[in-house]
Amino acid sequence: QQQVKQSPQSLIVQKGGIPIINCAYENTAFDYFPWYQQFPGKGPALLIAIRPDVSEKKEGRFTISFNKSAKQFSLHIMDSQPGDSATYFCAASTQGAQKLVFGQGTRLTINP
Amino acid sequence: GAGVSQSPSNKVTEKGKDVELRCDPISGHTALYWYRQSLGQGLEFLIYFQGNSAPDKSGLPSDRFSAERTGGSVSTLTIQRTQQEDSAVYLCASSPWDSYTGELFFGEGSRLTVL
Repeated sequence: QQQVKQSPQSLIVQKGGIPIINCAYENTAFDYFPWYQQFPGKGPALLIAIRPDVSEKKEGRFTISFNKSAKQFSLHIMDSQPGDSATYFCAASTQGAQKLVFGQGTRLTINP
Repeated sequence: GAGVSQSPSNKVTEKGKDVELRCDPISGHTALYWYRQSLGQGLEFLIYFQGNSAPDKSGLPSDRFSAERTGGSVSTLTIQRTQQEDSAVYLCASSPWDSYTGELFFGEGSRLTVL
């Protein structure tokens, strides 16, 4: 019940395309859903986050869509660029918890 | 820079040896976390510190793993009698908040290879 399931494991998109990464969870107590971006040899860095009181959040070319009833959330990258090539992790936690649960990660490649 | 610093960046050891991994969090951050990143396994929570105390050690995979934090700052993750399955990247993160509803700032990790 503490798991966050992420798909796909890897994704290849042409420049300008819109990659979509999906995550699903079981624990209805989760109330914070961040996405982290990791470049090779670096630690993950917070990209964007959402709370379940909204269905969508946009920051630049990055959008989180959240479906509370389906217990799913996804990351969309508009006008993708080769510099967006990285591993993306979704995560979830509960208010006051000291345990951020991560998905398995998606290795995204944007071809020029 | 003022980011999270981890050392060593790479460590190769023989099976059965002990290793220590060090984390220097961002100054002033009270919360510190250790995660393990294995190929295809995502980020696995190991332990969390608030100040010098560790309210949640539930992610430590066995009693060969231990961690401490001194002075509310530097943390050391120790793995005793290393096994090949311990090979992974060990990531440290810090946060000025005491819950996971704030941003975690990760270091670049310590890559451990057990031969």
